[in-house]
Amino acid sequence: EVQLVESGGGSVQPGGSLRLSCAGSGFTFSSYEMSWVRQAPGKGLEWVAYISSSGSTIEYADAVQGRFTISRDSAKNSLFLQMNSLRAEDTAVYFCARVPATGTFVDNWGQGALVTVS
Amino acid sequence: EVVMTQSPVTLSVSPGERATLSCRASQSVSSHLAWYQQRPGQAPRLLIHGASTRATGIPARFSGSGSGTEFTLTISSLQSEDFAVYYCQQYYNWPPITFGGGTTVVIK
Repeated sequence: EVQLVESGGGSVQPGGSLRLSCAGSGFTFSSYEMSWVRQAPGKGLEWVAYISSSGSTIEYADAVQGRFTISRDSAKNSLFLQMNSLRAEDTAVYFCARVPATGTFVDNWGQGALVTVS
Repeated sequence: EVVMTQSPVTLSVSPGERATLSCRASQSVSSHLAWYQQRPGQAPRLLIHGASTRATGIPARFSGSGSGTEFTLTISSLQSEDFAVYYCQQYYNWPPITFGGGTTVVIK
């Protein structure tokens, strides 16, 4: 069974930093592209960042470009999101998302990690 | 950026009835369109990709159609567990990957 488990969420003051982790299991982590998607309270889904299976290709949403860094350690089946210079508008549940080879959609989601900037 | 617009925002349907949800792209996304279901307090779940291909384990009452800029998600006979929020997402022209604003299906 595919499992994605996020950790590292919490409360932080504006301007602060936080690092999210996502542990993948039940699949060959190194073969999959991955993304982070967030959802502000009561709002819709917003794509945040993408990383290819090798880590050689990385893309960001404009809203987080220059402040957030996505990375992976495939030897440890882990995905990360380093979030710096956090703003109130970054408050959201952050989902770890597996991206299949057939297209840049999400075929498996983690349960989410809440980040509150206040 | 490809803007995805979903309609209606809220859809009121009785159990057992058909629900038809729409998603429009601001430019062609070919068939690179996915649909997700999100129940309250849960993560989204993939329903459809490639505009019309059901994901693994998704019941046959869910079907997707369309290409280019106009897409439809149909739920043929609504079950109690189908009352949820539905999102479309394009993955043809990215970054950014873009989602629609969602359609909430409520019990009539």
